Amino acid sequence: GAVVSQHPSRVICKSGTSVKIECRSLDFQATTMFWYRQFPKQSLMLMATSNEGSKATYEQGVEKDKFLINHASLTLSTLTVTSAHPEDSSFYICSALGVGIADTQYFGPGTRLTVL
Amino acid sequence: LAKTTQPISMDSYEGQEVNITCSHNNIATNDYITWYQQFPSQGPRFIIQGYKTKVTNEVASLFIPADRKSSTLSLPRVSLSDTAVYYCLVDKNRDDKIIFGKGTRLHILP
Repeated sequence: GAVVSQHPSRVICKSGTSVKIECRSLDFQATTMFWYRQFPKQSLMLMATSNEGSKATYEQGVEKDKFLINHASLTLSTLTVTSAHPEDSSFYICSALGVGIADTQYFGPGTRLTVL
Repeated sequence: LAKTTQPISMDSYEGQEVNITCSHNNIATNDYITWYQQFPSQGPRFIIQGYKTKVTNEVASLFIPADRKSSTLSLPRVSLSDTAVYYCLVDKNRDDKIIFGKGTRLHILP
């Protein structure tokens, strides 16, 4: 089946630093990728839609200048958390839209971000 | 986007068949129904997808009535490792995004 990877799987950083998370579709091309965040015991919350070759579309309440998204190729999207603060600590998950009869989103394993 | 409603939690025992029902009263004509499974600190894993009637794969079955306003995920002979959160999602073919509901927290007991 379709495989999506994320790197790193976990990261710890100091407050004020920036962190980049990569999302790759390993065996298929994805013109559209999505970024979610998930707090403990809660559901996934969509942050933004990343389209290859164009600007990302952010959900209401998500700061585009804080969460920079780049979708430079059909297999790679990156999320950069700029000037991270402790409240940005969360589980970040990406997904890639597979192309088929009934298009399905395939999710990465997630990245645990801890901001000290 | 169609809203989905699922039970918040369910308990069952090993070896039992578990059925989780999801309501999606506002489903549109070109919407598909997809179920995902999520373990703690992991990304959601695709289980099954369907449009109408019944779909079966190696891990589950999906039953969709004619009006498509609900669907039931059936897990045969569950084991402890099936303890997870299960999400029912409704998305259009080639729609741009999926909005997750709260999911059903399934707890399998020995």
